[in-house]
Amino acid sequence: DAGVIQSPRHEVTEMGQEVTLRCKPISGHDYLFWYRQTMMRGLELLIYFNNNVPIDDSGMPEDRFSAKMPNASFSTLKIQPSEPRDSAVYFCASGSTDSGNSPLHFGNGTRLTVT
Amino acid sequence: GDSVTQMEGPVTLSEEAFLTINCTYTATGYPSLFWYVQYPGEGLQLLLKATKADDKGSNKGFEATYRKETTSFHLEKGSVQVSDSAVYFCAIKAPGSYIPTFGRGTSLIVHP
Repeated sequence: DAGVIQSPRHEVTEMGQEVTLRCKPISGHDYLFWYRQTMMRGLELLIYFNNNVPIDDSGMPEDRFSAKMPNASFSTLKIQPSEPRDSAVYFCASGSTDSGNSPLHFGNGTRLTVT
Repeated sequence: GDSVTQMEGPVTLSEEAFLTINCTYTATGYPSLFWYVQYPGEGLQLLLKATKADDKGSNKGFEATYRKETTSFHLEKGSVQVSDSAVYFCAIKAPGSYIPTFGRGTSLIVHP
């Protein structure tokens, strides 16, 4: 299994530009999570999906952030327009309801720098 | 709601020292308990878990015991190595929930 795959690994963009982060979850997993990690705020849950349906987006910081999951094997997190305070590492994680005790599987993250 | 409290880092140790990272939680019922590790430049990965009281999770020389009476899940290792330098996250998952609650993470730095 290739694990959770995120792209790009690094993204540098200018303030005001649109940024799209991509995630391919582990096949067969029915939960998908987007997290943001910063030194100041730690690991924050932004949004999660179950069976491709957004369940809770209360962690999305502003309307500039949006996430989609058009099918079971792909999700995107979009920031438009981007701002310097969006600079962080963004993680995608997937999980399965096969067992309530199963852990999350994380990708290696996208490090976003907005200048 | 559920919450997890971890000791503040960084924890700095010499190689072969004994490690303890404290974790306590607040939750209703009997949550599942997890430790994740994040190596530099990588995502979190499961280190060990325990699903019921008095269970001991273990992996790579690390251990943690589910203590219901003290609502704790402290991580221990008898002899740390430089390669153990990473950030360690304690997490809980309430019964019937698939959404974990994470602690803030504790950075471990091991010097040769």
